[in-house]
Amino acid sequence: AQSVSQHNHHVILSEAASLELGCNYSYGGTVNLFWYVQYPGQHLQLLLKYFSGDPLVKGIKGFEAEFIKSKFSFNLRKPSVQWSDTAEYFCAVVTTSGTYKYIFGTGTRLKVLA
Amino acid sequence: SAVISQKPSRDICQRGTSLTIQCQVDSQVTMMFWYRQQPGQSLTLIATANQGSEATYESGFVIDKFPISRPNLTFSTLTVSNMSPEDSSIYLCSVAPGWGQGAVEAFFGQGTRLTVV
Repeated sequence: AQSVSQHNHHVILSEAASLELGCNYSYGGTVNLFWYVQYPGQHLQLLLKYFSGDPLVKGIKGFEAEFIKSKFSFNLRKPSVQWSDTAEYFCAVVTTSGTYKYIFGTGTRLKVLA
Repeated sequence: SAVISQKPSRDICQRGTSLTIQCQVDSQVTMMFWYRQQPGQSLTLIATANQGSEATYESGFVIDKFPISRPNLTFSTLTVSNMSPEDSSIYLCSVAPGWGQGAVEAFFGQGTRLTVV
């Protein structure tokens, strides 16, 4: 069965530190990949997405992610985090063959200390 | 894009009762999705609701426990029936306006935080 793994459940960083959140998926076919973010008290919103083409995708607020097909990974990065990046981050996969379905990782709760 | 309004935002309910969650979208969408997010866990798809047809439930979820209505292209409800403390969770409504046409970006409501006592 398809699955998405996020390795870090809780991350605490100081402002200006670099961030990398891991995401691996298990599916042998073509996928669309997403990172969603949920700020405290707000709804889930799209941070960035990969459909095809350049495997390094840039999203909002200085975030980027790299799709490495051979590693089934789609790690999220930000060179310098801010206090306002405190949120929960979800990696998600949509398979593009058969029935479309979103599969989410368990989420990573990031806390940035001012 | 789509803006989703979900009600109620939270509720505390007695076991054995039912709660109906409403989801209103600001545009017409073919498919709406209902998810459950249990504490410390991922979002799990409960069912997919198409207008004019029965909802399609995922493994582990049944219509008697989670009946869904989809009366039109902008509205859906999810009922959590005969609740037990194990149903305490966040329930999320979601839409993907371009679903089936290659655009699979999803939009989410703010969720309903349900506590069953």
